[in-house]
Amino acid sequence: ETGVTQSPTHLIKTRGQQVTLRCSSQSGHNTVSWYQQALGQGPQFIFQYYREEENGRGNFPPRFSGLQFPNYSSELNVNALELDDSALYLCASSLARGDGNTIYFGEGSWLTVV
Amino acid sequence: DQQVKQNSPSLSVQEGRISILNCDYTNSMFDYFLWYKKYPAEGPTFLISISSIKDKNEDGRFTVFLNKSAKHLSLHIVPSQPGDSAVYFCAASAKSGTYKYIFGTGTRLKVLA
Repeated sequence: ETGVTQSPTHLIKTRGQQVTLRCSSQSGHNTVSWYQQALGQGPQFIFQYYREEENGRGNFPPRFSGLQFPNYSSELNVNALELDDSALYLCASSLARGDGNTIYFGEGSWLTVV
Repeated sequence: DQQVKQNSPSLSVQEGRISILNCDYTNSMFDYFLWYKKYPAEGPTFLISISSIKDKNEDGRFTVFLNKSAKHLSLHIVPSQPGDSAVYFCAASAKSGTYKYIFGTGTRLKVLA
């Protein structure tokens, strides 16, 4: 158990809708990253937050946005959902300048877009 | 362009024998590597890491080897156990501290009892 918790665990949305996924980082971790894992693929980096600011972004459109709060928890928001957004969304937390560079994942949120 | 490749989608090994999972990368700037194990319906679980200043790291039954000249790393599991059956991902990071990892597509390991 990593201590990274995500909610909800499963959800179904309709194309065009918006979704918010939530993540609580492991105690003491100040950096949160979000990854998308499509079926049969490895996780793909969406973006990372450090001290409430976006600190790196992968190849995802602007309709993917996020927030980090003072307690280091985070949200991933996806607007105008498309069918291809159906995937497992993983949150990972880490401690900048410590613990090597290892990131620890939560259980993920399964999103199905119909 | 897939910068991290796991060319074997699946691997079957007898219980008690060695499992060797391979990973190749193309970006010579990668300097930190991680291995994860993933069971169905769960998030990836961290197994072991290695930085580019080392060529080997060991933790219990798990050993990771890094060959920088060949841009290749491998995970050895000895002895393999049925509970090791899962999908294994390698991941690489190009700059320490940014935690932007590039993942391979995974290798499904099946350990036969």
